[in-house]
Amino acid sequence: EPEVTQTPSHQVTQMGQEVILRCVPISNHLYFYWYRQILGQKVEFLVSFYNNEISEKSEIFDDQFSVERPDGSNFTLKIRSTKLEDSAMYFCASRGLAGGQETQYFGPGTRLLVL
Amino acid sequence: DAKTTQPNSMESNEEEPVHLPCNHSTISGTDYIHWYRQLPSQGPEYVIHGLTSNVNNRMASLAIAEDRKSSTLILHRATLRDAAVYYCILKRVKGAQKLVFGQGTRLTINP
Repeated sequence: EPEVTQTPSHQVTQMGQEVILRCVPISNHLYFYWYRQILGQKVEFLVSFYNNEISEKSEIFDDQFSVERPDGSNFTLKIRSTKLEDSAMYFCASRGLAGGQETQYFGPGTRLLVL
Repeated sequence: DAKTTQPNSMESNEEEPVHLPCNHSTISGTDYIHWYRQLPSQGPEYVIHGLTSNVNNRMASLAIAEDRKSSTLILHRATLRDAAVYYCILKRVKGAQKLVFGQGTRLTINP
């Protein structure tokens, strides 16, 4: 069964550094998403992406964040200057059909630790 | 986004049925009821969805009240692998369809 993959599984970085989180969505899916989950808290929506542009973003997704689909297979989340509070699990998802209704398939996540 | 209310936690025994309730009294006519679960240290996983009629799939059943203000996810025979946080989410038909997660119900399965 096709699945969403994410790399790296873990990333440790220093505050102020840039990080790029990578995702390979399921190949025939057209909508892509990033979510994050701070330890012990809810899963929070960050951004959705369709047709090479952002279709919706949350308040969390400020100017420090950007997304890109550089080559037709990868979908990346960049954090330009990481802060301590960016430490979280970041989940990528892509949307496809299940039982006649489109649903989201999530990757295993990248655990980001900002020191 | 319409709100859902779920118990914080539930406990059940292995091989017994589990009924996970969800209230969504402000649901609109175009909202689908989706259930996802999150196993420990994993990303959320789609379980089942419905609009008005009860639904069954290989993972679970979804019973939807006639007025659609509540629903129940049914695991017919719980296994230890079903221990997870279960999320009931309302999703509009159109648009980018972000998922809005609540705290969910943490399900513990006793051997």
